[in-house]
Amino acid sequence: KAGVTQTPRYLIKTRGQQVTLSCSPISGHRSVSWYQQTPGQGLQFLFEYFSETQRNKGNFPGRFSGRQFSNSRSEMNVSTLELGDSALYLCASSLTRGLGTEAFFGQGTRLTVV
Amino acid sequence: AQKITQTQPGMFVQEKEAVTLDCTYDTSDPSYGLFWYKQPSSGEMIFLIYQGSYDQQNATEGRYSLNFQKARKSANLVISASQLGDSAMYFCAMREDFGNEKLTFGTGTRLTIIP
Repeated sequence: KAGVTQTPRYLIKTRGQQVTLSCSPISGHRSVSWYQQTPGQGLQFLFEYFSETQRNKGNFPGRFSGRQFSNSRSEMNVSTLELGDSALYLCASSLTRGLGTEAFFGQGTRLTVV
Repeated sequence: AQKITQTQPGMFVQEKEAVTLDCTYDTSDPSYGLFWYKQPSSGEMIFLIYQGSYDQQNATEGRYSLNFQKARKSANLVISASQLGDSAMYFCAMREDFGNEKLTFGTGTRLTIIP
């Protein structure tokens, strides 16, 4: 069974540009969450999508947005990139929603903003 | 206030020894879940073990066990018979409120197994 696939694995962008990251969840999984990981702030929750609807959002500016498609694949977009957006972006998928539901993570997309 | 506190930034342990990674948490929600994840250098977060706040017994998964002390708000991970492949970052995480999928992570502990 294929795991969570994130593309691209590595990305270099210039300040002011925008970027789109993609996440394909495990087949059958309907919940997709996104996290940002930086050395300074650690792992921070960005947002969660379930059945094409954003269910929760973390404390990030409006430049960070996302969406989920009918096949549960998800994309996140960051507009007007800043140097501080350089991070590892991790996507996690879950079969459903619930307190003890295991989240399966992808290998992440490492974004570098120069 | 930190919701998840991991006080050990790094640990060195001899191969085959047991190791305990500390985690304390803070929540006023009576219903919550606690997770441990392993992150090797490849970046992927690997699920290790889960403990629900209402679970009566400590969770175990193979060489991993969770020492859950609810009154002390402590959820330490115990790895028995450590192996070289256990070298990685380890994160404790909490999920509060049924219906909110957000995981709150600690700052992690870098574990290095010495041969």
